[in-house]
Amino acid sequence: GAVVSQHPSWVICKSGTSVKIECRSLDFQATTMFWYRQFPKQSLMLMATSNEGSKATYEQGVEKDKFLINHASLTLSTLTVTSAHPEDSSFYICSATGQGALNTEAFFGQGTRLTVV
Amino acid sequence: GNSVTQMEGPVTLSEEAFLTINCTYTATGYPSLFWYVQYPGEGLQLLLKATKADDKGSNKGFEATYRKETTSFHLEKGSVQVSDSAVYFCALRSAGGGNKLTFGTGTQLKVEL
Repeated sequence: GAVVSQHPSWVICKSGTSVKIECRSLDFQATTMFWYRQFPKQSLMLMATSNEGSKATYEQGVEKDKFLINHASLTLSTLTVTSAHPEDSSFYICSATGQGALNTEAFFGQGTRLTVV
Repeated sequence: GNSVTQMEGPVTLSEEAFLTINCTYTATGYPSLFWYVQYPGEGLQLLLKATKADDKGSNKGFEATYRKETTSFHLEKGSVQVSDSAVYFCALRSAGGGNKLTFGTGTQLKVEL
């Protein structure tokens, strides 16, 4: 099956610093990638959708200047949390879809646990 | 808009017990329906799916039937194992909505010996 890998799996950073999370499709070309945020004991909330080579589409209420998304290639998308604060601490998960048969479902990364101290 | 409602957890069962996790949805048209499983510290894995009314998705002993008349997609397993302990998410993808998914809140399942 299609494999999506996220890195890092967990990260601790100081308040005010920026953190970059990578999402890679290892064995297929990801034409679309999605970034979700999961709060403790809550569901996944879609943050943004990105298509390779174009600007990300953010969901209502998500600050695009706070959460920078780049999808520069068909195998890599990055989420940068800028000037992180403790309230940004969360579990961030990406998913990706490809073309043809790989467009019928979304393949998820293993997630990144971000803790801002 | 689209929404998914799941029963709240945690659900605690003994090994070999019967499992039902309820899921109902609200959507226009004919969405596709999914169950995802999340093991501790990991991302989501697709467990099963159904793309049209009356379809039954099944995998690893789990099954769910797409019921248009009751807008439901309840997850069932006849005999759970300790290794099934995880969080289960019901999700929908609206027709023509690309691969954007709407998730339920998740139901934690704990299976004990």
